[in-house]
Amino acid sequence: GAVVSQHPSRVICKSGTSVKIECRSLDFQATTMFWYRQFPKQSLMLMATSNEGSKATYEQGVEKDKFLINHASLTLSTLTVTSAHPEDSSFYICSARVRSGLVPNEQFFGPGTRLTVL
Amino acid sequence: AQSVTQLGSHVSVSEGALVLLRCNYSSSVPPYLFWYVQYPNQGLQLLLKYTTGATLVKGINGFEAEFKKSETSFHLTKPSAHMSDAAEYFCAVSGWNTGKLIFGQGTTLQVKP
Repeated sequence: GAVVSQHPSRVICKSGTSVKIECRSLDFQATTMFWYRQFPKQSLMLMATSNEGSKATYEQGVEKDKFLINHASLTLSTLTVTSAHPEDSSFYICSARVRSGLVPNEQFFGPGTRLTVL
Repeated sequence: AQSVTQLGSHVSVSEGALVLLRCNYSSSVPPYLFWYVQYPNQGLQLLLKYTTGATLVKGINGFEAEFKKSETSFHLTKPSAHMSDAAEYFCAVSGWNTGKLIFGQGTTLQVKP
């Protein structure tokens, strides 16, 4: 149980284009999903917290107009990188928190999406 | 505010040797503590967690960690390293009043034959 998927697993795009990444909780409902960014050999940096049916909460320094997050249902959140540039190249990981989890604040992580912007 | 410090960005052990990965935290509220493992180009897998109760926590793959409030530590150990344990390990802290996970910098575990 508690499986989170991401699609695509890797994407290469040209500079200036937009890329959408999907995060799905496959066997549970997630009221909250999180989006992280991870640079090579570095830790995960939280970008935003996404609550179903409401606007995402972005961390300081994250451009909300560049990283659009939509959490339309209890099983799906999307991250759209708009007008992508090479510096946006990174590993993006989502996680989901179980709606009525027994363990407070436990998050289940997706496998990640490798974005390369040429 | 919460923070996590992992001492040692790189730890190397021989196969069969003890694994010790250090984690110290700072938290103004009672912490929830987690250890995750990440293999190359993959997401994070939960090894173990501490919320309340018993301070010695056992996880998957033979790992365990002990919550020591007086030392603000949550070190990860495994009695005997296996080659398959080579990976990146992250310690994380959360509080009862926030759903966010704050991650440490990560420790790369190398296991030598």
